[in-house]
Amino acid sequence: GIQVEQSPPDLILQEGANSTLRCNFSDSVNNLQWFHQNPWGQLINLFYIPSGTKQNGRLSATTVATERYSLLYISSSQTTDSGVYFCAVWLRNSGGSNYKLTFGKGTLLTVNP
Amino acid sequence: DTEVTQTPKHLVMGMTNKKSLKCEQHMGHRAMYWYKQKAKKPPELMFVYSYEKLSINESVPSRFSPECPNSSLLNLHLHALQPEDSALYLCASSRNRGYGYTFGSGTRLTVV
Repeated sequence: GIQVEQSPPDLILQEGANSTLRCNFSDSVNNLQWFHQNPWGQLINLFYIPSGTKQNGRLSATTVATERYSLLYISSSQTTDSGVYFCAVWLRNSGGSNYKLTFGKGTLLTVNP
Repeated sequence: DTEVTQTPKHLVMGMTNKKSLKCEQHMGHRAMYWYKQKAKKPPELMFVYSYEKLSINESVPSRFSPECPNSSLLNLHLHALQPEDSALYLCASSRNRGYGYTFGSGTRLTVV
């Protein structure tokens, strides 16, 4: 079944708008990260946030581990925020013998000027 | 140094070639990873090294051969690849398994 689910899959914003991206996961986690992948493929770590709330400039994230979801907030969006946002969670593999960082399918964000 | 460095950035190789991808980190991280990413898809795990030992192989074909010569360096040796192996290959490291990952900028591989 689906282990890491992100929504929405696509989002188009006008510059200056705010947005919220969501990540649901199927099991309790010790590690959750939000990444931004820029058009050149670089995966940039935004937050390592297995629980609680963190803020970094215009971005903030909240993970409620007991309810198995995390939210990424982007305020006053800029065109440079465009790209794919991935949530990745440390989950047990299908055989149950090991853990690995499992990515959601991502949210493609387009910020127009 | 808070970076993971991957070389080369781009690679074009024929199906009979042998090539290697290189990944280096100097953050003292003891876990290193290879991921493969196809266009418009999330990264998929290929291999995990923990303390220089292979701990996970996600049923990757033997034409991909990883190597961890020391705690700072991770290689991926490529041989007899197929065009469908064309992808972005990402290396990552973490302090230990389960901690935050840092990714390199990737090698964009094209097999012709």
